[in-house]
Amino acid sequence: GAVVSQHPSRVICKSGTSVKIECRSLDFQATTMFWYRQFPKQSLMLMATSNEGSKATYEQGVEKDKFLINHASLTLSTLTVTSAHPEDSSFYICSAKGGAMGYSNQPQHFGDGTRLSIL
Amino acid sequence: QQQVKQSPQSLIVQKGGISIINCAYENTAFDYFPWYQQFPGKGPALLIAIRPDVSEKKEGRFTISFNKSAKQFSLHIMDSQPGDSATYFCAASGRGKLIFGQGTELSVKP
Repeated sequence: GAVVSQHPSRVICKSGTSVKIECRSLDFQATTMFWYRQFPKQSLMLMATSNEGSKATYEQGVEKDKFLINHASLTLSTLTVTSAHPEDSSFYICSAKGGAMGYSNQPQHFGDGTRLSIL
Repeated sequence: QQQVKQSPQSLIVQKGGISIINCAYENTAFDYFPWYQQFPGKGPALLIAIRPDVSEKKEGRFTISFNKSAKQFSLHIMDSQPGDSATYFCAASGRGKLIFGQGTELSVKP
């Protein structure tokens, strides 16, 4: 159980393109989803937290107009990188958890990430 | 105060040996401490987790030891196998958000 599917697994596109990444919880209702960014050989950095039907909460230093997050249903969240540039190239990973919105004791389950390369 | 410090950065262990990874935190409000395993090109997978009211938790070859007074916790991998070679992240959670350690790259030599 607790499967999180992320799509696409890899994207290569030109500078200035907008890219959408989908994150789906396949067998549970994800009241909260998280988006992380990971550079090579580094840890995961939380970008934003989203609760179903609410606006995402962004971490300090993350541009909300650059990284658009939508959590329209209990099984789907999307991250759109708008007007992507080479410095946006990274490994983006989503996670999801069930239980009460906001604080809950449920563990986070991660997708397999999206490797974004901007040329 | 929100940091989680993890060591060592890399670890080489012989097959059958014990792998030990340590983490330390400062925020006493943290109430959930998971360990994740990540293979190259994949997302992290939950390995084992502990809450601060327990000093030790064991699941198969994986054991978490938790020292609340020292604000430290560690992962022990018994009988380490080449298939355990991966990056391991400790994390701490307070109010739902995970704060990750820097990661430990484990290599188990046959």
